[in-house]
Amino acid sequence: RKEVEQDPGPFNVPEGATVAFNCTYSNSASQSFFWYRQDCRKEPKLLMSVYSSGNEDGRFTAQLNRASQYISLLIRDSKLSDSATYLCVVNGGNPTSGTYKYIFGTGTRLKVLA
Amino acid sequence: GAGVSQTPSNKVTEKGKYVELRCDPISGHTALYWYRQSLGQGPEFLIYFQGTGAADDSGLPNDRFFAVRPEGSVSTLKIQRTERGDSAVYLCASSLIEGNEQFFGPGTRLTVL
Repeated sequence: RKEVEQDPGPFNVPEGATVAFNCTYSNSASQSFFWYRQDCRKEPKLLMSVYSSGNEDGRFTAQLNRASQYISLLIRDSKLSDSATYLCVVNGGNPTSGTYKYIFGTGTRLKVLA
Repeated sequence: GAGVSQTPSNKVTEKGKYVELRCDPISGHTALYWYRQSLGQGPEFLIYFQGTGAADDSGLPNDRFFAVRPEGSVSTLKIQRTERGDSAVYLCASSLIEGNEQFFGPGTRLTVL
């Protein structure tokens, strides 16, 4: 089983739609979680951190379910500019031993259609 | 302020040659990470530094790969006897401290012919 798993998509949705991505992780000791966005041939850019209580940033909502070991990203009112690959990132190290290795999923491709 | 920079942006080399890839992190960031990314895949962890020391090098694929960060700032990833399978985009990221969000450089696209 991969340490971090995402559905690669692509997800093709119309403008204005709501779309959700899930990401599962295998290391129950993971402490930090993030969603990054990556445009074609560009570097990943931080979209948002994921907090235990869930968090929202404008049209984006991230949630963490520790019991089931998954995180989710919800995008409301999709815009054409949201078209990108969304990468799930999990701390795969062991904070107790002091290492903070981050593991990326393969990414989920989103295409928002006019 | 300046972000993470990487040089060169592109590197084409022949099989068997030695290459060095450089990363200049955001000033003041203590943690520095190296990844490589192949088409259609997420970034694959290689190694990370906390200060000058390698805190975790478990992602280095074999002993042809080595990285240094002698003064706790700039880092160099060194690949000996390059192979065609080493072709990828090599990404560098830095974070203020371990465990925080990372900021990525634009990457070095390595092509081994």
